[in-house]
Amino acid sequence: AQRVTQPEKLLSVFKGAPVELKCNYSYSGSPELFWYVQYSRQRLQLLLRHISRESIKGFTADLNKGETSFHLKKPFAQEEDSAMYYCALRGFGNEKLTFGTGTRLTIIP
Amino acid sequence: EAGVVQSPRYKIIEKKQPVAFWCNPISGHNTLYWYLQNLGQGPELLIRYENEEAVDDSQLPKDRFSAERLKGVDSTLKIQPAELGDSAVYLCASSGRANTEAFFGQGTRLTVV
Repeated sequence: AQRVTQPEKLLSVFKGAPVELKCNYSYSGSPELFWYVQYSRQRLQLLLRHISRESIKGFTADLNKGETSFHLKKPFAQEEDSAMYYCALRGFGNEKLTFGTGTRLTIIP
Repeated sequence: EAGVVQSPRYKIIEKKQPVAFWCNPISGHNTLYWYLQNLGQGPELLIRYENEEAVDDSQLPKDRFSAERLKGVDSTLKIQPAELGDSAVYLCASSGRANTEAFFGQGTRLTVV
């Protein structure tokens, strides 16, 4: 079974402060991890995936297999970062995409 | 490119009535997903298609839910009869070749009264 846990439903951060959204997963095989974002009144869209190892909109996420985590980080929060963030997992060779319950990030001006 | 198109965007029906949702995936995408998203929750997979074949429908409540993907392109998700607890957002997504990004539609918000 594959499971994704996002322990924080709500997170408020001041503009300019660092942001960390937590994600832990459970999967017995090789996982592929993603962060999806949903801005107000917009569709769910991919933010980044661990195999790309790139920074998108200043966000990065590192897959830590030892801690089974894939936390999303940004050093300096911006107001436009306010959104719902979902961590998702897909097993290697398996197209099933499993989502966490999401974290609503609010950036305080 | 329009992306994944879903209709209707909103639907209000009385309980025990039937309802259908339609999804047009991105052209060329073989994999199509239907997800259910309850308020305050993440999307939960209902069914996944590879072309016209349903390869994972283990989470689909088959007593009242059905889906089809004729010719491996558009898909329809149906609920008959609808219950109050079916009120949620129904999301459709598609992806191309294996291990590529899934693109989501805007979703259909269903309210059962």
